[in-house]
Amino acid sequence: KQEVTQIPAALSVPEGENLVLNCSFTDSAIYNLQWFRQDPGKGLTSLLLIQSSQREQTSGRLNASLDKSSGRSTLYIAASQPGDSATYLCAVGAGGTSYGKLTFGQGTILTVHP
Amino acid sequence: SQTIHQWPATLVQPVGSPLSLECTVEGTSNPNLYWYRQAAGRGLQLLFYSVGIGQISSEVPQNLSASRPQDRQFILSSKKLLLSDSGFYLCAWRGPPGYAEAFFGQGTRLTVV
Repeated sequence: KQEVTQIPAALSVPEGENLVLNCSFTDSAIYNLQWFRQDPGKGLTSLLLIQSSQREQTSGRLNASLDKSSGRSTLYIAASQPGDSATYLCAVGAGGTSYGKLTFGQGTILTVHP
Repeated sequence: SQTIHQWPATLVQPVGSPLSLECTVEGTSNPNLYWYRQAAGRGLQLLFYSVGIGQISSEVPQNLSASRPQDRQFILSSKKLLLSDSGFYLCAWRGPPGYAEAFFGQGTRLTVV
């Protein structure tokens, strides 16, 4: 059974800092990995999708890497802003007969203070 | 472009009452559809998924059921709600063959009292 762990559980940084969120998974037989952002009381917003054959994806100030063999992914946020404050969720996608089901980590609560 | 609609946004229901949450997707056809529940301190848990009309798979035994009467419509139901059904329910979709990016609705906050 796939298990996904996110470290740290919470992070508070001053504005402008670069930061790294970590995600690890126990079963390396994944099809993709997706990072989401969740604002309080809201749904999930997709940030980045990395296919299992890829090593990284970039979108603006966000960069996500994937090391499938070691079961790890990182989300790098450059020059953090107060608007980045949210919960960040990592989700591993299963394939084959699993029909694209996602297994989520517990999330990292990020607070960026001015 | 594709959009996903989920309603209602919030719901307060008494124990023993029925439930119906609806999710519709626009701008795509034959999507894989999913219902997740997010309970406090427990993360997101997959409840049901569907790969086509009338095709429902349940991930965990529970008091809930799901139906897909149309290609882009997914409904979560219960005949009699329990206190433990409280939570934040999220609908999601992926384009075929099911390995592409997943998109989520805005969620329904259900409180059973």
